[in-house]
Amino acid sequence: AQKITQTQPGMFVQEKEAVTLDCTYDTSDPSYGLFWYKQPSSGEMIFLIYQGSYDQQNATEGRYSLNFQKARKSANLVISASQLGDSAMYFCAMRIAGGTSYGKLTFGQGTILTVHP
Amino acid sequence: NAGVTQTPKFRVLKTGQSMTLLCAQDMNHEYMYWYRQDPGMGLRLIHYSVGEGTTAKGEVPDGYNVSRLKKQNFLLGLESAAPSQTSVYFCASSYSFRGSYNSPLHFGNGTRLTVT
Repeated sequence: AQKITQTQPGMFVQEKEAVTLDCTYDTSDPSYGLFWYKQPSSGEMIFLIYQGSYDQQNATEGRYSLNFQKARKSANLVISASQLGDSAMYFCAMRIAGGTSYGKLTFGQGTILTVHP
Repeated sequence: NAGVTQTPKFRVLKTGQSMTLLCAQDMNHEYMYWYRQDPGMGLRLIHYSVGEGTTAKGEVPDGYNVSRLKKQNFLLGLESAAPSQTSVYFCASSYSFRGSYNSPLHFGNGTRLTVT
């Protein structure tokens, strides 16, 4: 079975600073994808960034980057130059490629990020 | 392009009442999912469907039923609501990937259900 662990229930960061949100995962499947979603107070789920298990380079999307350490089974999200609008809940999730997985996402518990002005 | 639409957005039920949540997607996605979100537990999969006429159980299926009579719609039913089913419910959809797993799930905006 797959498992995602986010050990930081809450994080605080000063505006314009960088912040790292931790995510560790566990799977025996060699082919998988890791995703980060943002959930602002309005409640919708916003896809941020994706990393495949065979990707050689860390994924980046604007101010978001994914620090992928395969041997450690970690996929930390780095947000550079934090903005007040980054205050939200962040979820790490995993999807395996196995034939019976049917694309199901397994989620971590989430981390609430608060950006201070 | 509406994406994934959930109705209703909010609902209050009394214990024992029944209701159906509707999810509609206009992206021609094969796969559809129902998740529930509870504080400190992330999102947990209730049921899912890999195509019209098919459904399967997820991690927390008890107390829920689903149907996918049309490809674009996925219904979640509560036959006899219980306070433990107070939660936020999300529907999501994606393409079938047959070995490709980099396609993100597209989520609806959620339904906040309170059972008293």
